Amino acid sequence: NAGVTQTPKFQVLKTGQSMTLQCAQDMNHEYMSWYRQDPGMGLRLIHYSVGAGITDQGEVPNGYNVSRSTTEDFPLRLLSAAPSQTSVYFCASSYEAGGQPQHFGDGTRLSIL
Amino acid sequence: GESVGLHLPTLSVQEGDNSIINCAYSNSASDYFIWYKQESGKGPQFIIDIRSNMDKRQGQRVTVLLNKTVKHLSLQIAATQPGDSAVYFCAASGGYKYIFGTGTRLKVLA
Repeated sequence: NAGVTQTPKFQVLKTGQSMTLQCAQDMNHEYMSWYRQDPGMGLRLIHYSVGAGITDQGEVPNGYNVSRSTTEDFPLRLLSAAPSQTSVYFCASSYEAGGQPQHFGDGTRLSIL
Repeated sequence: GESVGLHLPTLSVQEGDNSIINCAYSNSASDYFIWYKQESGKGPQFIIDIRSNMDKRQGQRVTVLLNKTVKHLSLQIAATQPGDSAVYFCAASGGYKYIFGTGTRLKVLA
C-alpha cells in the first residue's frame, strides 16, 4: 500500500514552459486535492475533485489545470510556468469529501527560473 | 475570506514537558478540524481530528480541545519528546474545502 505518490520530487523549469505534476493514490479515495506551500503562507488549495470526472477550483487556481479521468490519478498541469509558481506542491486524498483526514504525498519541489 | 491562524510561529519546550499549540479559525460554519504534523522534506501527517459536536478528543499523548464560542482549538502534547520536533498545522473544514493555518514550529530542548 503506497498511499499517495507524487512525481517528480524535484523539478526546475524555465519561465513559459509547461509541465504536469503527477499524483496517484491506491486507497480508492474519492476526494483528491492539490495544495501549494509557500513560506509563511501555510497550505493553499489549488484544485480539488470529489470523484472521477468532477473537479472544482480552490483558493488559488489561476495558472493551473486539473482533470480526473480515474479514481486513482489526479494530475496538475502548469500551462505556462511563471516564477510566482515556485513552490512546494502537495497532493492529498481522503475517502470522502469533507469531514475526513487527508493523506498527503511527500510533495514536488518546483523552481521556475 | 476564511482564515485559520496559529498564535505562535515557534514554540520551544523542554523535553518531558507538555506542549500546547493554539489555532483560531474565522468561519463559524466549519464543522471539522484536523491537526497535522510536518517533518522536514515530508508531507503533512495526520495526528488527530475533532468534529464540531465535540469539545475534546484524546489520542495517544495528544489531546485536541475545541471552543466553538471563541472559534479556537488547541493541540496538547503530553511529555514532549525529541521526535515531536516538527511544524504543526491546524485545518478547518466546512464542506469540500480545507483551510490550513500557517503552522507552528515546535522545538524540543534536551
